[in-house]
Amino acid sequence: SAVISQKPSRDICQRGTSLTIQCQVDSQVTMMFWYRQQPGQSLTLIATANQGSEATYESGFVIDKFPISRPNLTFSTLTVSNMSPEDSSIYLCSVTGTENEKLFFGSGTQLSVL
Amino acid sequence: GENVEQHPSTLSVQEGDSAVIKCTYSDSASNYFPWYKQELGKRPQLIIDIRSNVGEKKDQRIAVTLNKTAKHFSLHITETQPEDSAVYFCAASSNTGKLIFGQGTTLQVKP
Repeated sequence: SAVISQKPSRDICQRGTSLTIQCQVDSQVTMMFWYRQQPGQSLTLIATANQGSEATYESGFVIDKFPISRPNLTFSTLTVSNMSPEDSSIYLCSVTGTENEKLFFGSGTQLSVL
Repeated sequence: GENVEQHPSTLSVQEGDSAVIKCTYSDSASNYFPWYKQELGKRPQLIIDIRSNVGEKKDQRIAVTLNKTAKHFSLHITETQPEDSAVYFCAASSNTGKLIFGQGTTLQVKP
């Protein structure tokens, strides 16, 4: 499976600021996704990161709050904008590799907003 | 859109016993059903998956069954061990590639 590097691994941020999370994959992948996992909860899909075009957002998530970039087939960023304590979660980058739908996760970014 | 329901939310078994976790899905177009194991503080790890053209798949002590008519699938763990203790998530996807996850099951295996 692909090696997925995500950084930062954790951060503590102030309310109203923004944080950009980076996801780097060691090989070209077909699809990249961003998930959120709130404390003690399941994984919720934020958006599909599309290479060279705007991301496709799921219901309840908007580009102004979670801008996403994917300039090439191995790299993506997720920004959490104008943060509030409700944004405290683990954010996970995920990719599908050469085996079609098999989805693999990065190590995650644990975000705490004060 | 797709909705995945998972039960039970918590499951406690004695070491050596079997554990079964069940999921139902709503979208009849779903054709891929993976299971993930997440240990505390770690990323979810894919442990087994099944496609809709297969009814059952086994890998050592774990197996997954799929009933397309009823739109449900299950994870079976036999001869449980303490290291099987974790949170398990089922998921479903159609040809979009997006995975929709169930709510998770916390499995505790008592020595």
